[in-house]
Amino acid sequence: QVQLVESGGGVVQPGRSLRLSCATSGFTFSSYAMHWVRQAPGKGLEWVAFIWYDGSNKYYADSVKGRFTLSKDNSKNALYLQMNSLRAEDTAVYYCARDRRVGGYETLDMWGQGTMVTVSS
Amino acid sequence: DIQMTQSPSSLSASVGDRVTITCQASQDISNSLNWYQQKPGKAPKLLIYGASNLQTGVPSRFSGGGSGTDFTFTISSLQPEDIATYYCQHYDNLLRVTFGPGTKVDIK
Repeated sequence: QVQLVESGGGVVQPGRSLRLSCATSGFTFSSYAMHWVRQAPGKGLEWVAFIWYDGSNKYYADSVKGRFTLSKDNSKNALYLQMNSLRAEDTAVYYCARDRRVGGYETLDMWGQGTMVTVSS
Repeated sequence: DIQMTQSPSSLSASVGDRVTITCQASQDISNSLNWYQQKPGKAPKLLIYGASNLQTGVPSRFSGGGSGTDFTFTISSLQPEDIATYYCQHYDNLLRVTFGPGTKVDIK
């Protein structure tokens, strides 16, 4: 059974850092690309970042580029999001999601339950 | 960058009603369009991929259609468990993901 479990959220002051983790099980993690998607309170979904299956390529939304760093540890079946220089507008639930090609189409086919990040003084 | 819009932003319908949501892309995206359901307090769930293909295990009352810039998502007979926000999503060739703003579906 595929599982993705995020952790590391919490309350942090503006300008500080936080590291999110996504622990996975039930699938061959090293064969899959992964995403982080966030959702501000009462708002829609916003894609944050994507990493190739082997960690060799990473892509970021303009809103986090230069501040967030995505990494993937295939030996630990874990995904990480290092968030630096946090701003109030980064307050959101952060989801990790698995990228899977289904019927020739890229999808985010499995999601974790999310972890809440609150940036506030 | 490709922008996605959805309409309506919210709707209320009765149990058994046919419900249709539209999603429009700012440029031709062929049929590279997925639909997700997000129930309150829960993570999103993939329902439709490639504009019209039902994900395994998803009830057949859900369907999708369209291509190019205009897409539809339909619930043929609304059920109480379908109360959720529905998002369209595009994945471009630069591996960036864009979500539509969402459509909240309620029971009247």
